[in-house]
Amino acid sequence: EAGVTQSPRYAVLQEGQAVSFWCDPISGHDTLYWYQQPRDQGPQLLVYFRDEAVIDNSQLPSDRFSAVRPKGTNSTLKIQSAKQGDTATYLCASSLLGGAETLYFGSGTRLTVL
Amino acid sequence: GDKVKQSPSALSLQEGTNSALRCNFSIAATTVQWFLQNPRGSLINLFYLVPGTKENGRLKSAFDSKESYSTLHIRDAQLEDSGTYFCAAGGFASALTFGSGTKVIPCLP
Repeated sequence: EAGVTQSPRYAVLQEGQAVSFWCDPISGHDTLYWYQQPRDQGPQLLVYFRDEAVIDNSQLPSDRFSAVRPKGTNSTLKIQSAKQGDTATYLCASSLLGGAETLYFGSGTRLTVL
Repeated sequence: GDKVKQSPSALSLQEGTNSALRCNFSIAATTVQWFLQNPRGSLINLFYLVPGTKENGRLKSAFDSKESYSTLHIRDAQLEDSGTYFCAAGGFASALTFGSGTKVIPCLP
């Protein structure tokens, strides 16, 4: 069974540029999460979905970040105008049963904003 | 303050010895998960816990929801146990809140 797949693996941008991250969760997992992990810190939740519905996006900087999961499978996280403070690894994770089961992470996208 | 606090922040791992990591919560947690982030950055799930104890090989973890803490014990440590260990707590079917991690560094003889 394939794990959680993320792309790209790395991204390097200038401030003000836009970037999109893509995630394909484990087949059949109804819940999908996006976490931001700054260097030497723990993952911090940005947004999560159950099927196609957003359950919690309270930590997503809504002026520049957006996330969608239109068919309840793959998801895209977009940063409209990147800032140096956005430099971090962006992790996607998925689980069954609305999060009441084990969380599985993808390899992440390492973003550097110059 | 930190909702999920891990200790120690770092520890030296000598082969063959035992180590204990701890996680204290200031949020109401009904589940705990422990992860190992390897040097390549991948987060590997070690345990999913409801209150109680689980064991897997040389690893053993316990979760006490009444006292709001969890522990991870590493027995007979090996170099492959190196990396950063994260605990994460959550309510049933809610998103997990992560701690800041415990960095386990191999101590060469």
